[in-house]
Amino acid sequence: DTGVSQNPRHKITKRGQNVTFRCDPISEHNRLYWYRQTLGQGPEFLTYFQNEAQLEKSRLLSDRFSAERPKGSFSTLEIQRTEQGDSAMYLCASSMRQGVKHTEAFFGQGTRLTVV
Amino acid sequence: QQQVKQSPQSLIVQKGGIPIINCAYENTAFDYFPWYQQFPGKGPALLIAIRPDVSEKKEGRFTISFNKSAKQFSLHIMDSQPGDSATYFCAASNPTGNQFYFGTGTSLTVIP
Repeated sequence: DTGVSQNPRHKITKRGQNVTFRCDPISEHNRLYWYRQTLGQGPEFLTYFQNEAQLEKSRLLSDRFSAERPKGSFSTLEIQRTEQGDSAMYLCASSMRQGVKHTEAFFGQGTRLTVV
Repeated sequence: QQQVKQSPQSLIVQKGGIPIINCAYENTAFDYFPWYQQFPGKGPALLIAIRPDVSEKKEGRFTISFNKSAKQFSLHIMDSQPGDSATYFCAASNPTGNQFYFGTGTSLTVIP
């Protein structure tokens, strides 16, 4: 499977616990995005990486959220001290940027987080 | 502030009908407009995309119409099938491609 892979697919956690999600992008893609989607809404941008550099972060990304992409390959998104409002689908996408052009962004299947 | 406005929120058509979903944007810097299809519990899947240098793009049963002066674009699904029942999102990005702005989605139901 050469698509974007996300793990785990589902995560149930107690409020206050920390959780970490992983995303493996399409191998030749140098851009990686994290989005959050709540029920009945479109995906909302959280952050993106160009190779290993985190170039932009949304105001939605509070200080409890941190994302990394070591070596410009896979990425992790960690949420500390989870709150019930963090319950959502967390989506990862990847694309290729070459010079001034960027290709289509392909999404993974998402990680569904439920905070109880 | 919603960068991309999408309508209708939901749509029901008979099999074989042609549902049309509309989107509008304000930022004239946007230069890439994809449509995504999403089934429950799955991630969005890229369906078709257009850039502003063309007014129409067709791929299979899916067609995007683009009106640059009106800052609007729409998705047409020809000969719709029950398997097309899903939520459809339009999106837009600027030349840097640093993020995609999504519409609020249209839930499509195709009745057999």
